[in-house]
Amino acid sequence: GAGVSQSPRYKVAKRGQDVALRCDPISGHVSLFWYQQALGQGPEFLTYFQNEAQLDKSGLPSDRFFAERPEGSVSTLKIQRTQQEDSAVYLCASSPVRNEQFFGPGTRLTVL
Amino acid sequence: GQQVMQIPQYQHVQEGEDFTTYCNSSTTLSNIQWYKQRPGGHPVFLIQLVKSGEVKKQKRLTFQFGEAKKNSSLHITATQTTDVGTYFCGSTNAGKSTFGDGTTLTVKP
Repeated sequence: GAGVSQSPRYKVAKRGQDVALRCDPISGHVSLFWYQQALGQGPEFLTYFQNEAQLDKSGLPSDRFFAERPEGSVSTLKIQRTQQEDSAVYLCASSPVRNEQFFGPGTRLTVL
Repeated sequence: GQQVMQIPQYQHVQEGEDFTTYCNSSTTLSNIQWYKQRPGGHPVFLIQLVKSGEVKKQKRLTFQFGEAKKNSSLHITATQTTDVGTYFCGSTNAGKSTFGDGTTLTVKP
């Protein structure tokens, strides 16, 4: 079956622009996670949803970052007024009830 | 919060040699997961361990969870070129996952 998909795969933004990153999880997966991965590092937790409820957003770096999952399926990570330090790969993962996470291919964001 | 540290950061082996990566935490972990990320790819789930002293095998891969549940290891026997990539350990607590920075394995044919 289809895995987790993310779009766009690559995004170049000028400093100060807003961006929206989309994640389509595996159908039926209750949990959805967003991570930020810098080059040479492990994924850093940003936020976690269970269905439409955002249960933990402690990893969001600033109030410029906002995530939503209004119908408990597709999720969007929005970054307002992008800064150069926001450049990274943004990974989305979904999970059934266990801790096994299925990662999407990621969106590589470059802020110029 | 919980943190996991991985060593070594890089490992270069000759094909056929064994490889081990270690994951350590200062706090007791409720679980440990291992993922593999190929160059240019995304993390792919390998296994989860939850019991003290647990050992699981997948073909040439052996995973261990320490008795105190503060460390874990992944051992690959007789590496192959298909084993190249970065191996991450991670742990989940109340939905929040924490990952190490991974061990990058390169294999010389």
